[in-house]
Amino acid sequence: ETGVTQTPRHLVMGMTNKKSLKCEQHLGHNAMYWYKQSAKKPLELMFVYNFKEQTENNSVPSRFSPECPNSSHLFLHLHTLQPEDSALYLCASSPEGGAQHFGDGTRLSIL
Amino acid sequence: GQQVMQIPQYQHVQEGEDFTTYCNSSTTLSNIQWYKQRPGGHPVFLIQLVKSGEVKKQKRLTFQFGEAKKNSSLHITATQTTDVGTYFCAVPDSGGGADGLTFGKGTHLIIQP
Repeated sequence: ETGVTQTPRHLVMGMTNKKSLKCEQHLGHNAMYWYKQSAKKPLELMFVYNFKEQTENNSVPSRFSPECPNSSHLFLHLHTLQPEDSALYLCASSPEGGAQHFGDGTRLSIL
Repeated sequence: GQQVMQIPQYQHVQEGEDFTTYCNSSTTLSNIQWYKQRPGGHPVFLIQLVKSGEVKKQKRLTFQFGEAKKNSSLHITATQTTDVGTYFCAVPDSGGGADGLTFGKGTHLIIQP
């Protein structure tokens, strides 16, 4: 139990579907993050939220749309994804400048 | 953005042998963090190094931060099967604060009994 919960754990979707990934943290952290981990690349930072405000967007395609309604919840809305978007999507939270606590991730497969 | 080179990509050792992974940056770092990811798991924070020349130990793990704050290493003494996994270094993606991390490619530690 890491204090960071991600749902669903696994997701299979077609390229025309719309789905959302959810992340919830119970650690009282101010910052939340989305990372992408694929077999061929290292962990890639996608988005950073600090006190609900997006502070970083690492040149992520617009088919990925984050939402942070409060400091405890983070969503990643998916629309018209491509096969190369198949990967493990990891959410993390941290106190400012501190260690990041990761969830178990959502394993996404695009058909 | 920030980049960090990590070597080796894979390391095979016999159980009981030592293991070391290295990270290098072309720029001076404010800090560096180390994470471990077990097969099928998620990255787990190990340690953060902040000071020039800093050395920290956690049981059989020794972490070092270079004098110039551009490189770091993780050394495991007498590896055990529980040490299997991928070890990542990570550096702030930009200058301090609640920034994301740029991760190295990781070193996969494979232990042969």
